Amino acid sequence: DAMVIQNPRYQVTQFGKPVTLSCSQTLNHNVMYWYQQKSSQAPKLLFHYYDKDFNNEADTPDNFQSRRPNTSFCFLDIRSPGLGDAAMYLCATSRGTGVLSPLHFGNGTRLTVT
Amino acid sequence: KNQVEQSPQSLIILEGKNCTLQCNYTVSPFSNLRWYKQDTGRGPVSLTIMTFSENTKSNGRYTATLDADTKQSSLHITASQLSDSASYICVVSANSGYALNFGKGTSLLVTP
Repeated sequence: DAMVIQNPRYQVTQFGKPVTLSCSQTLNHNVMYWYQQKSSQAPKLLFHYYDKDFNNEADTPDNFQSRRPNTSFCFLDIRSPGLGDAAMYLCATSRGTGVLSPLHFGNGTRLTVT
Repeated sequence: KNQVEQSPQSLIILEGKNCTLQCNYTVSPFSNLRWYKQDTGRGPVSLTIMTFSENTKSNGRYTATLDADTKQSSLHITASQLSDSASYICVVSANSGYALNFGKGTSLLVTP
């Protein structure tokens, strides 16, 4: 059974049109992450939540925002998508941030910007 | 700058053969190293996680090694199967926090 679920699997949006990607988890993990992965590149961390504490990476564009209304759900909002934002967006969770807390990834949402 | 370099970038092997993927890192201070398998269009799945004191860890046909002195790790796949075709990503943590350093992955194709 999928434990980190991302919806939708594929999302097409128009240039400049806001879009929201969603992630839910059944693991009751404290930490939720959003990664951006472009073709043949390593995933790049955008931000993460430790419980309700939001942590933004320094180089994450202001165009990207996130919400975590409860333990189970986390959303990625892209306010004005540009062509360069087309990528796979991966949500991940972990129990904590220690050694014994591997990341559990969802299957991602592939975003296309037209 | 913390870096993780993987080689080869891509690899094609015949079904049933063994292969070894390499990961070199400059991440310091080292906390742990993880290998993930990422099938096309799917999220990465954890294979192994090793700390400083661990040299070898196995998960079925996957065996990871770690040399913390030379800052090198390898992932050995035994008796490859078609389902092993995927990208294998090496991830190194600098400390016990959330900061993970990802390699770009090795793309493995197992052919009949």
